[in-house]
Amino acid sequence: DTGVSQDPRHKITKRGQNVTFRCDPISEHNRLYWYRQTLGQGPEFLTYFQNEAQLEKSRLLSDRFSAERPKGSFSTLEIQRTEQGDSAMYLCASSETGLGTEAFFGQGTRLTVV
Amino acid sequence: EDKVVQSPLSLVVHEGDTVTLNCSYEVTNFRSLLWYKQEKKAPTFLFMLTSSGIEKKSGRLSSILDKKELFSILNITATQTGDSAVYLCAVKGGSGNTGKLIFGQGTTLQVKP
Repeated sequence: DTGVSQDPRHKITKRGQNVTFRCDPISEHNRLYWYRQTLGQGPEFLTYFQNEAQLEKSRLLSDRFSAERPKGSFSTLEIQRTEQGDSAMYLCASSETGLGTEAFFGQGTRLTVV
Repeated sequence: EDKVVQSPLSLVVHEGDTVTLNCSYEVTNFRSLLWYKQEKKAPTFLFMLTSSGIEKKSGRLSSILDKKELFSILNITATQTGDSAVYLCAVKGGSGNTGKLIFGQGTTLQVKP
């Protein structure tokens, strides 16, 4: 296990379609985060999992967005009825429990909604 | 509202120059400040700072935190073209005890040969 893995790396979809992204965190990491990054901006927090429990969701996360982490391993982020404003890089990060640890990021999934 | 502000937003220098990147923050429940380097892909971790006044150093890069004045700086000496990237400052804190990061906008550094 060499790091956080995300799939796909790129996704182009038509407006109104549903998309799903996958994140495989570093295996011993309990904490998993999703962030969204638009051009020229820093990543914005979307949601957080501690093992399989989703413990925090940003108010940025509309009801078209849903995330899961079954069995506390990989996570999926689904966007329903995509809009052009959803076009962004979606980054996943994981870390060990403990606030003194850094988060490791995946390569991201770049979503383009046309 | 929690916020992290970086300056400058962009910077162009020549190889060999020294640069200083700034990060100021207003974040509830501050726990630590982190610096990441992003080169068109995943942000890669550089430093984590939790205590005021203690410099972290790695090669030509160094960083220091001032918790009283709520800012941090990242210094890069003898810059090289490979230092060209977006440098992100993030604060671990905010509501809840989740370890989420609140990022600044980033500073885009371009180092010319």
